[in-house]
Amino acid sequence: NAGVMQNPRHLVRRRGQEARLRCSPMKGHSHVYWYRQLPEEGLKFMVYLQKENIIDESGMPKERFSAEFPKEGPSILRIQQVVRGDSAAYFCASSPGGSSGNTIYFGEGSWLTVV
Amino acid sequence: KQEVTQIPAALSVPEGENLVLNCSFTDSAIYNLQWFRQDPGKGLTSLLLIQSSQREQTSGRLNASLDKSSGRSTLYIAASQPGDSATYLCAVITDKLIFGTGTRLQVFP
Repeated sequence: NAGVMQNPRHLVRRRGQEARLRCSPMKGHSHVYWYRQLPEEGLKFMVYLQKENIIDESGMPKERFSAEFPKEGPSILRIQQVVRGDSAAYFCASSPGGSSGNTIYFGEGSWLTVV
Repeated sequence: KQEVTQIPAALSVPEGENLVLNCSFTDSAIYNLQWFRQDPGKGLTSLLLIQSSQREQTSGRLNASLDKSSGRSTLYIAASQPGDSATYLCAVITDKLIFGTGTRLQVFP
């Protein structure tokens, strides 16, 4: 049973380009979370999704950021018109149900560098 | 608003010492609390999950306790080893995880 798979592991984008980060949850998991870790800072919640639904996007910046978790395929975190401040590690996590009684498993992260 | 604090921010100890890492949170209305380990440039490895009805969990040399009423959790590491060197993160769980800022641990031979 593969763990949470994220790709790419490392991504370099020029300012103004788009970044797409993918997350395949563990088999049987229908809940996905995205977190961002800025250099030398803690992990900050961005968005919580179930299949085809955004449950909580209270941590998402209002502009340029979007997330989806389609019925088929991985969850995608999309950052449009990237700026240097978007450089960070983006972590995806999954769980089989809601967070209340389930261990949440994290992927290895995607490191975005904006030059 | 839930705030999670970890003390100390950094810790450097010789091999073999027993350690206590502290985590405090401001709102006791949580489902669970989870401790993670993060190695540099890596993702998070789950260490222990304590459900709100439990007071502690043990795995090998690790023991985590939870006191919801006082808003505290501790992670106890027995007989520390250089391989334990990493950043340790606690996260309180409501409908999502809210992380503390972490304790950076270095165990030297």
